[in-house]
Amino acid sequence: GAVVSQHPSWVICKSGTSVKIECRSLDFQATTMFWYRQFPKQSLMLMATSNEGSKATYEQGVEKDKFLINHASLTLSTLTVTSAHPEDSSFYICSAWDSPEAFFGQGTRLTVV
Amino acid sequence: AQSVAQPEDQVNVAEGNPLTVKCTYSVSGNPYLFWYVQYPNRGLQFLLKYITGDNLVKGSYGFEAEFNKSQTSFHLKKPSALVSDSALYFCAVKTASGTYKYIFGTGTRLKVLA
Repeated sequence: GAVVSQHPSWVICKSGTSVKIECRSLDFQATTMFWYRQFPKQSLMLMATSNEGSKATYEQGVEKDKFLINHASLTLSTLTVTSAHPEDSSFYICSAWDSPEAFFGQGTRLTVV
Repeated sequence: AQSVAQPEDQVNVAEGNPLTVKCTYSVSGNPYLFWYVQYPNRGLQFLLKYITGDNLVKGSYGFEAEFNKSQTSFHLKKPSALVSDSALYFCAVKTASGTYKYIFGTGTRLKVLA
């Protein structure tokens, strides 16, 4: 099956700094990628849909200025958490669309201290 | 509204016994159904999917699931549980047409006891 790679697997950053998470489709081109957030012991919450060459579509309640998404190529989408705060600590998972289904990355554990 | 329900937060089963993790869904149109497993601090691992064809789907690690259209269910099963099957299991659905969005259930924690 298709492979999606997320980097880094875990990151610790200081409050107020920004951190970038990368999501790559390794063996296919993905015009559409997705970013999810998962709180402890909870399900995945879709944050935004990332479309190559255009602006991301954010779900209701997700701050687009805090969670910057860039999908500059057919194999790479990035999520930048700006001015991170401890409440942004979470597990972030990306997926990439390869019709007729999506394939998921291994996730990134973000801890803001 | 489209939704997925996993009615059990946790399922406990003895090693060697059969296991079932339940999932029901509500979508308009024909559903694409998926099961994923998640180990601590890891992403989702694909187990199996139903898109079309036989209602009984066989997947990775000996898991299988049966699509039941009349009951709108897609329960995950395994004939003989292993301790290593202990993990968090998610059911997900997307409609066959239109949106790319997946709707996830709340997850069921499976605990296999030695």
